[in-house]
Amino acid sequence: NAGVMQNPRHLVRRRGQEARLRCSPMKGHSHVYWYRQLPEEGLKFMVYLQKENIIDESGMPKERFSAEFPKEGPSILRIQQVVRGDSAAYFCASSPRQGVVWEQFFGPGTRLTVL
Amino acid sequence: GENVEQHPSTLSVQEGDSAVIKCTYSDSASNYFPWYKQELGKRPQLIIDIRSNVGEKKDQRIAVTLNKTAKHFSLHITETQPEDSAVYFCAATRRSGNTGKLIFGQGTTLQVKP
Repeated sequence: NAGVMQNPRHLVRRRGQEARLRCSPMKGHSHVYWYRQLPEEGLKFMVYLQKENIIDESGMPKERFSAEFPKEGPSILRIQQVVRGDSAAYFCASSPRQGVVWEQFFGPGTRLTVL
Repeated sequence: GENVEQHPSTLSVQEGDSAVIKCTYSDSASNYFPWYKQELGKRPQLIIDIRSNVGEKKDQRIAVTLNKTAKHFSLHITETQPEDSAVYFCAATRRSGNTGKLIFGQGTTLQVKP
């Protein structure tokens, strides 16, 4: 019973490159959340997706960031033209459809370093 | 917008003592309050949670209390052990319909001295 999986675990990019982060939710989970954790800080909500739908993107920067959760395959967080300030740990979490279980299960995170 | 304040930012206790971390939230519609423990370089892991229809919940050495009127909730760890040393985050959310994003506090670094 695999948990939430993220890859890559570590990603190094130079300024101006694109970063693509992947998240596979737990089996049976259809809700995915992305959070960003800057060094020495707490987690900040970025975006909430269900299959083929963005439900809440109120935490996403207006430019360069996008997210998707296709019908097949993992959820992807894409950062275009990365800058040093994008260096952070990016966590995704998944939860089941609305029901008895409210917990969000976190993946191991992707640590992005922008040189 | 929604906000969660967490105090203290650092807490140092002797092994065997109790530790208390407090959080306040701004959105009165919040109805789910989880607490996460994060060790260095690891993922946040849920240690206990509480829903707005109860005032207290306990799991072995860990307990959480909720005061909806005052909009604050607290984590209590008794008989602390060195392995309790970590960063603890509180969070709040309105879990209904198409919502559920967690609003996190700033974190408390707990150090348990042997």
